[in-house]
Amino acid sequence: GAVVSQHPSWVICKSGTSVKIECRSLDFQATTMFWYRQFPKQSLMLMATSNEGSKATYEQGVEKDKFLINHASLTLSTLTVTSAHPEDSSFYICSARDPRVGDNSPLHFGNGTRLTVT
Amino acid sequence: AQRVTQPEKLLSVFKGAPVELKCNYSYSGSPELFWYVQYSRQRLQLLLRHISRESIKGFTADLNKGETSFHLKKPFAQEEDSAMYYCALAAHNAGNMLTFGGGTRLMVKP
Repeated sequence: GAVVSQHPSWVICKSGTSVKIECRSLDFQATTMFWYRQFPKQSLMLMATSNEGSKATYEQGVEKDKFLINHASLTLSTLTVTSAHPEDSSFYICSARDPRVGDNSPLHFGNGTRLTVT
Repeated sequence: AQRVTQPEKLLSVFKGAPVELKCNYSYSGSPELFWYVQYSRQRLQLLLRHISRESIKGFTADLNKGETSFHLKKPFAQEEDSAMYYCALAAHNAGNMLTFGGGTRLMVKP
């Protein structure tokens, strides 16, 4: 079945540095990918919708310059947390839908990335 | 490694009928389980979590550690319940990283 691969699974970085998280659709092409964030003991929150070949659509309250999203190809979307700070420490997960199955097909989730900023 | 299985990709019921969406998990530790729902053209949203032991929109889910299950139930389905439902597990030994099941599409027919 369709698989979404996310890398890295864990990352620890120092405050002020930038971190890139990759999300790949392994056996399908995804024109749209979704980036979610989960704070401890809270539910997932949609951060942005990544659109291949165009700008991402950010949710209200999400800083575009802080969380850079690039969807350069039909199988790869990247989320870069720029100038990371401890409050950016969170669990980030991407998902995509296989367009071959239709708009109502299930979301396929990456395994997520645990970011810790020290 | 933890795993979440939703054996049914599609569940179709008539309005007013009981509905049960199955979720089984494998995890060596003490699990924290969730049900997320995505209505058509809307974002994924949390429906309920097992630690809250609450009923949301008439849905309940009980964690059965013996059977490693967290099935979602509603006694009388409504048409507006039609959506994609995802079961998820938070692994405490992996930094609370979420693992999702493959999802079940619930269709409630009039």
